[in-house]
Amino acid sequence: DQQVKQNSPSLSVQEGRISILNCDYTNSMFDYFLWYKKYPAEGPTFLISISSIKDKNEDGRFTVFLNKSAKHLSLHIVPSQPGDSAVYFCAASLETSGSRLTFGEGTQLTVNP
Amino acid sequence: GAGVSQSPSNKVTEKGKDVELRCDPISGHTALYWYRQRLGQGLEFLIYFQGNSAPDKSGLPSDRFSAERTGESVSTLTIQRTQQEDSAVYLCASSLLVAGVLYFGPGTRLLVL
Repeated sequence: DQQVKQNSPSLSVQEGRISILNCDYTNSMFDYFLWYKKYPAEGPTFLISISSIKDKNEDGRFTVFLNKSAKHLSLHIVPSQPGDSAVYFCAASLETSGSRLTFGEGTQLTVNP
Repeated sequence: GAGVSQSPSNKVTEKGKDVELRCDPISGHTALYWYRQRLGQGLEFLIYFQGNSAPDKSGLPSDRFSAERTGESVSTLTIQRTQQEDSAVYLCASSLLVAGVLYFGPGTRLLVL
């Protein structure tokens, strides 16, 4: 039972354009959502998060949008840079489970110069 | 060190052998997690330690897998009688707060021949 899904295994964009990474979830009880970035041979690093009481959170070039009715969140990166090329994982958690995160399968983003 | 460290970074073993993976969390972090990532897949939760509470072992795939944590410090993940399907990157993470961000180590790449 895949509770968090990232349906696009890969995405390629031009430098300077917007990257939009999508994530869907099935458990309506999830109340905290995060995006992680992972470079090869490294562990995932935290990028940005959003609580279920919000619908948008912005941090520099990164913005996360949450649509609770659709059980959908997205990560926008603008402008995209070649250094953003990495695998992006979305994750969700339940307050009652502590910080235990349920991850999606990841999307490989490639930003072309 | 400032981050989560894991050892060994790589491990090649023969089917049927036991392996032990080590994780040193960030000092002061009360929560510690083990995840694994099989090739081409997302991160799969294995086990969660929080302070002195009983660990959440609900993600362990079989009784060949076990983990221990000494207080709020080092943790070891042991896989007995390894199988080829155990081949994966084993990631450890720690967290300061119960519902906080997870900080991951670089992982241990396990290959079972």
